[in-house]
Amino acid sequence: DTGVSQNPRHKITKRGQNVTFRCDPISEHNRLYWYRQTLGQGPEFLTYFQNEAQLEKSRLLSDRFSAERPKGSFSTLEIQRTEQGDSAMYLCASSPQAGGNQPQHFGDGTRLSIL
Amino acid sequence: GEDVEQSLFLSVREGDSSVINCTYTDSSSTYLYWYKQEPGAGLQLLTYIFSNMDMKQDQRLTVLLNKKDKHLSLRIADTQTGDSAIYFCAESNWDFGNEKLTFGTGTRLTIIP
Repeated sequence: DTGVSQNPRHKITKRGQNVTFRCDPISEHNRLYWYRQTLGQGPEFLTYFQNEAQLEKSRLLSDRFSAERPKGSFSTLEIQRTEQGDSAMYLCASSPQAGGNQPQHFGDGTRLSIL
Repeated sequence: GEDVEQSLFLSVREGDSSVINCTYTDSSSTYLYWYKQEPGAGLQLLTYIFSNMDMKQDQRLTVLLNKKDKHLSLRIADTQTGDSAIYFCAESNWDFGNEKLTFGTGTRLTIIP
């Protein structure tokens, strides 16, 4: 069990560029979640997947954001036409299946900085 | 909607016990979690409790839940320098099949040598 893996760890880009992050969940975890954490705040929910199906999206996820999990394994989060306000840590988590007693395990995140 | 609140800072002398507090607003059946975040890292799950329990103990960690007051606490016994981090309380509401976690703003624990 290697834990949740996120790449890249850091991304610096100019405003207006597109960026894509990758998350590899713990093996055989069906559920995969994306959160965003800004400085001094707790993580905020963005979206989650059950296998390849995207089941819920937060209002925070504007139309510039898209997430996929095409084969029910790794997931990607893409931000198009980045803005200053997109600067944050993007965290991915996974859990074995549904249920509060199946807690979410987090990766180390991707820190995005918009110049 | 759910809301989770925590105090922002706590300083404790090495070897003493740390008590980190959290209040939540959701009145339905819920799971409550404690996560630890060290600088530049993600969140490490420490422990969790279901709302029909009053207490859970795991080595140096003790979680107390007062469901009436919607108050949760995390006690760390014999606090060490390695416990310096930000601690997040989070809840999920399973009455509505709510998968997302709602986090507090985190409590920064500082250990005084």
